[in-house]
Amino acid sequence: DAGVIQSPRHEVTEMGQEVTLRCKPISGHNSLFWYRQTMMRGLELLIYFNNNVPIDDSGMPEDRFSAKMPNASFSTLKIQPSEPRDSAVYFCASSSQGFNYGYTFGSGTRLTVV
Amino acid sequence: DAKTTQPPSMDCAEGRAANLPCNHSTISGNEYVYWYRQIHSQGPQYIIHGLKNNETNEMASLIITEDRKSSTLILPHATLRDTAVYYCIVSPSGNTGKLIFGQGTTLQVKP
Repeated sequence: DAGVIQSPRHEVTEMGQEVTLRCKPISGHNSLFWYRQTMMRGLELLIYFNNNVPIDDSGMPEDRFSAKMPNASFSTLKIQPSEPRDSAVYFCASSSQGFNYGYTFGSGTRLTVV
Repeated sequence: DAKTTQPPSMDCAEGRAANLPCNHSTISGNEYVYWYRQIHSQGPQYIIHGLKNNETNEMASLIITEDRKSSTLILPHATLRDTAVYYCIVSPSGNTGKLIFGQGTTLQVKP
């Protein structure tokens, strides 16, 4: 299995632009998580989905952030408009209920907003 | 959510056992103890988890006290590649509960 695949690996954008981060979970996993990591705040859970349905989005910082999971094999995290304080590494993870190997994380997308 | 307390940093000599402690005094009966690690610039990696009994896999051993208020992750023969931030997390049973990461312990394995 290729694991959790995130794209792009790096993104540099100007303030005010729309940014879309993408995630392909492991086939057969029914839960998907979006995290953000910064030096100041560490790893923060933004939102998670079970069976493509958003369960808890209490970690989404503002209305500028939105996430979708149109099917079991794809999810997006969108920031519109982007701001410099959104600069961080964004991780996607997936898991399967009853699967005893925990969450599998992707390699992350490093976002820089200038 | 139950919270955990870990020392911010630890050192270990290469080839020796690394013992990473974690306090989780407010853990609930249905909450598991999970350990993850994050090597620089990579995504977190699952290591092991347990409920009551001690657990062992190819990566590590997990020792949970009888009252479940603390646990220790043991890397039996640490190598330089084990240098990472180690996170201890408690979470409800099953893999579909959310994991809340704290600050973790930075383990430095030295030659």
